[in-house]
Amino acid sequence: GAGVSQSPSNKVTEKGKDVELRCDPISGHTALYWYRQSLGQGLEFLIYFQGNSAPDKSGLPSDRFSAERTGGSVSTLTIQRTQQEDSAVYLCASSFWTSGTDTQYFGPGTRLTVL
Amino acid sequence: GNSVTQMEGPVTLSEEAFLTINCTYTATGYPSLFWYVQYPGEGLQLLLKATKADDKGSNKGFEATYRKETTSFHLEKGSVQVSDSAVYFCALSGVTGGGNKLTFGTGTQLKVEL
Repeated sequence: GAGVSQSPSNKVTEKGKDVELRCDPISGHTALYWYRQSLGQGLEFLIYFQGNSAPDKSGLPSDRFSAERTGGSVSTLTIQRTQQEDSAVYLCASSFWTSGTDTQYFGPGTRLTVL
Repeated sequence: GNSVTQMEGPVTLSEEAFLTINCTYTATGYPSLFWYVQYPGEGLQLLLKATKADDKGSNKGFEATYRKETTSFHLEKGSVQVSDSAVYFCALSGVTGGGNKLTFGTGTQLKVEL
């Protein structure tokens, strides 16, 4: 079946602009996660959704970052007033359950470059 | 806090050599442990996992055993191939108070040469 998809695959923006990144999880997966992969920080957790609610937002680096999930499916990560340090690959993952033993399936990522 | 430490790369091996990538962790509670792999130009894929002490995860000839006494989850393969060249990430989840998020190590790049 279809895996996790993300769009766009690449995004180049100017400092100060807002960007929206989209994630389509695997059908039927109730849990959705956002991570960030950057050279300086490695792979970092950002936020986690169970259904449409976000029990854990502890990884969002600042209030410029927000995310929502609608209909228990698609999620959008929004970065306002982008800064150069926001440049990274943003990864989305989904899983069927919310158990810590469950496998998270990752999308291909969105590479964000802030000029 | 919770953390994962893995050996720095790159690790360069000849084809058919034995591979070990060390991974140790610090965590509260009883985490599940994972190895993810990222092939060039591709996304993260689960390689193997273990959910309790003494469990052995295995896949594609790779193995790792969950050692609670040494808080380790070392990745091994008896005979590597060029196609194993990738970046390998050790990770944990399910820690007390940590929810289900994955905490990753920094990744180890493996290069296998003919």
